Amino acid sequence: GDSVTQMEGPVTLSEEAFLTINCTYTATGYPSLFWYVQYPGEGLQLLLKATKADDKGSNKGFEATYRKETTSFHLEKGSVQVSDSAVYFCALSENRDDKIIFGKGTRLHILP
Amino acid sequence: DVKVTQSSRYLVKRTGEKVFLECVQDMDHENMFWYRQDPGLGLRLIYFSYDVKMKEKGDIPEGYSVSREKKERFSLILESASTNQTSMYLCASSSLGVGLNQPQHFGDGTRLSIL
Repeated sequence: GDSVTQMEGPVTLSEEAFLTINCTYTATGYPSLFWYVQYPGEGLQLLLKATKADDKGSNKGFEATYRKETTSFHLEKGSVQVSDSAVYFCALSENRDDKIIFGKGTRLHILP
Repeated sequence: DVKVTQSSRYLVKRTGEKVFLECVQDMDHENMFWYRQDPGLGLRLIYFSYDVKMKEKGDIPEGYSVSREKKERFSLILESASTNQTSMYLCASSSLGVGLNQPQHFGDGTRLSIL
């Protein structure tokens, strides 16, 4: 079945460092891909999405590109801030229903 | 902005009790979902609903049931609570859009402890 695999955390970086969180997926069709973020004490919120191959989603300085050839959707940010500390979830949605399949999440700690 | 409201942030119940978790959304969304979130396991889908009085089992429905009598409200019921149901429970909603990639909007979660 469909699945999402993302790098295990926690990931600890210093402020202004470059961030990459790896995400790969398995799907039978051509899914849409998402990154969600969960700040401490809150629910998940959509960070960015991409709906077809080579699309780039971006928001709040974060970017991810839908790579069909490598079945990947890695999250990147050029210069992280302490306020980016959160848990990040990669997810996919097949276009046959409205369910979303989530990865296990990656906890990110940014040190000042 | 979409608002998904879960009735309690923290809840403590005893083994064997019947527990109700309530979720209300204010954006007239057709779809509603219940997940549980556990360390190392991520989010797992318990039940979902595409319409009033309609429900579908997710990946881990055992020990749970749901009710959707009104479009805006989706209740999760633990018929006889057990300690292995201690978890964070997240409710989400989305508009109907097969193929339209509608994102899900989440509540802040209910941290449930079963003693």
